Amino acid sequence: NAGVTQTPKFQVLKTGQSMTLQCAQDMNHNSMYWYRQDPGMGLRLIYYSASEGTTDKGEVPNGYNVSRLNKREFSLRLESAAPSQTSVYFCASSETWGTTEAFFGQGTRLTVV
Amino acid sequence: GENVEQHPSTLSVQEGDSAVIKCTYSDSASNYFPWYKQELGKRPQLIIDIRSNVGEKKDQRIAVTLNKTAKHFSLHITETQPEDSAVYFCAASNPNTGKLIFGQGTTLQVKP
Repeated sequence: NAGVTQTPKFQVLKTGQSMTLQCAQDMNHNSMYWYRQDPGMGLRLIYYSASEGTTDKGEVPNGYNVSRLNKREFSLRLESAAPSQTSVYFCASSETWGTTEAFFGQGTRLTVV
Repeated sequence: GENVEQHPSTLSVQEGDSAVIKCTYSDSASNYFPWYKQELGKRPQLIIDIRSNVGEKKDQRIAVTLNKTAKHFSLHITETQPEDSAVYFCAASNPNTGKLIFGQGTTLQVKP
């Protein structure tokens, strides 16, 4: 059981470039989340998908898009990367939306230069 | 919008002392309150959670209390050990929206 798997683990982008962060879970969870972690600011919710077929904005959605490809996969896209998007990104999943334990992936460290 | 405030941002204690971290939430509809521990370079992992129909929950050296009226909840760690050193996050969840919102985190240092 791999749990929640994110790819890539590290990435360096130039300003204006685009990229997609991939996330997959093998726990048959319904809900999936994307967070960014910056020093002193905790984990801030970017987008979430309460169930397959739905996505909603979180606290800091600007500059990002998401796709819930199927029940297992939830991707995060940066269309035009900016230095302010330098962060550690975590994907998480939970069995039901917001009422059960969220399991996190190992994180993606993204640097935008 | 929903907000979770966490204090203190840093906490240093001597081994064997107790540590208390406090959080307040703004969304009165929140009903699930987990606490996560994140060691350096690792992913956050759940250590304890509490639901709104319970006032207190204990698991060995860790306890969490919830005051729904005041909209605050706290994490208590007793007999702290060096391996308790980490960043701790509280969170609150609204069952209607599915949003899981985290506090800013507390860096706990336990000195041997």
